[in-house]
Amino acid sequence: DAKTTQPNSMESNEEEPVHLPCNHSTISGTDYIHWYRQLPSQGPEYVIHGLTSNVNNRMASLAIAEDRKSSTLILHRATLRDAAVYYCILARDTGRRALTFGSGTRLQVQP
Amino acid sequence: NAGVTQTPKFRVLKTGQSMTLLCAQDMNHEYMYWYRQDPGMGLRLIHYSVGEGTTAKGEVPDGYNVSRLKKQNFLLGLESAAPSQTSVYFCASSYSQRGISYEQYFGPGTRLTVT
Repeated sequence: DAKTTQPNSMESNEEEPVHLPCNHSTISGTDYIHWYRQLPSQGPEYVIHGLTSNVNNRMASLAIAEDRKSSTLILHRATLRDAAVYYCILARDTGRRALTFGSGTRLQVQP
Repeated sequence: NAGVTQTPKFRVLKTGQSMTLLCAQDMNHEYMYWYRQDPGMGLRLIHYSVGEGTTAKGEVPDGYNVSRLKKQNFLLGLESAAPSQTSVYFCASSYSQRGISYEQYFGPGTRLTVT
């Protein structure tokens, strides 16, 4: 599986936008970019995923670079509830379809 | 819908004891997974199942067995617990649809301590 690189931690202020970067320079053409987050003492939660085009949903936006070697998860207005570990994961839509989790980015949100 | 549920929520075992963790999902998903998460780490795949009656090994299968006798249930067994198996165990499920990517739904986890 191709590898992703994320900063260990980031800080944000409440009600401000947050941009969480992810590098995946060895991504293959069939790899989808998934983002999950894990709130304290909970299981991971799906956030968003995409292949080539930018994606929006009620939780976040995903901006994918034209060469697909990097992507950015955008939280438009951070809330205290968004404090979590965010995982950027590449997953092919074939085979076992399991997710390979790295260590993620710990996002702290200050009031 | 309850989604993905796990029992028990907490358990303490002595070295050498055995136990079974139960995962249940009510979303009619084909795929189910067991992961473990050690402190400060990401999740690692133990075993997975692509349908009733089929299971396969993941990254860290040693010391664990699984069974999927019913589509909605996925059991994880520890035959002889070791302190290295102290971890938080997460179950997940996902649907299977040809040509379309998927999202996984996770349970709340089981915190296991082996002394």
